[in-house]
Amino acid sequence: GAVVSQHPSWVICKSGTSVKIECRSLDFQATTMFWYRQFPKQSLMLMATSNEGSKATYEQGVEKDKFLINHASLTLSTLTVTSAHPEDSSFYICSAEDPGTLRGKEQFFGPGTRLTVL
Amino acid sequence: LAKTTQPISMDSYEGQEVNITCSHNNIATNDYITWYQQFPSQGPRFIIQGYKTKVTNEVASLFIPADRKSSTLSLPRVSLSDTAVYYCLVGDGGGGNKLTFGTGTQLKVEL
Repeated sequence: GAVVSQHPSWVICKSGTSVKIECRSLDFQATTMFWYRQFPKQSLMLMATSNEGSKATYEQGVEKDKFLINHASLTLSTLTVTSAHPEDSSFYICSAEDPGTLRGKEQFFGPGTRLTVL
Repeated sequence: LAKTTQPISMDSYEGQEVNITCSHNNIATNDYITWYQQFPSQGPRFIIQGYKTKVTNEVASLFIPADRKSSTLSLPRVSLSDTAVYYCLVGDGGGGNKLTFGTGTQLKVEL
């Protein structure tokens, strides 16, 4: 099946610094990727939809200037958390659609990135 | 986007069949029903997807009644390793399909 990777798997940073998280589709091309955030004991919350070659679409309440998304190629989307604060500490997960699969409606999720802001 | 309602938690024992029902009263004509499994600190994993009637794969079955306002995920003979959160989602499956995760069902399997 299609594989989505994330890097890093975990990161610890100081308050005020920026952190970049990468999401890659390893064996397929993804024109659309999604970024989610998940707090402990809670469900996944969609943050934004990342479209290759165009601006990301952010969900209501998500600050686009704080969570910068770049989808520069068909296999890579990045999420940069700028000026991170402790409240940004969370589990960030990306997903990608593989339009080439027989189950074209399936999203493949990455393993997630645990961000801890001190 | 259709909203889904699931039980918050369920308990079972190894070897038993587990059925998790999801309500989606506002499901649209184009919507598919998809179930994901998530272990702690991991991304969700696709389990099964269907549109109507019954779908079966190597790990689960999905039962969808004619009105499609609900669906039931059936896990045959669960084991301890099936302890996870199970999410039911509906979406039209088209390009750029946004998925809205509900609360999910925490399944706990004991010996």
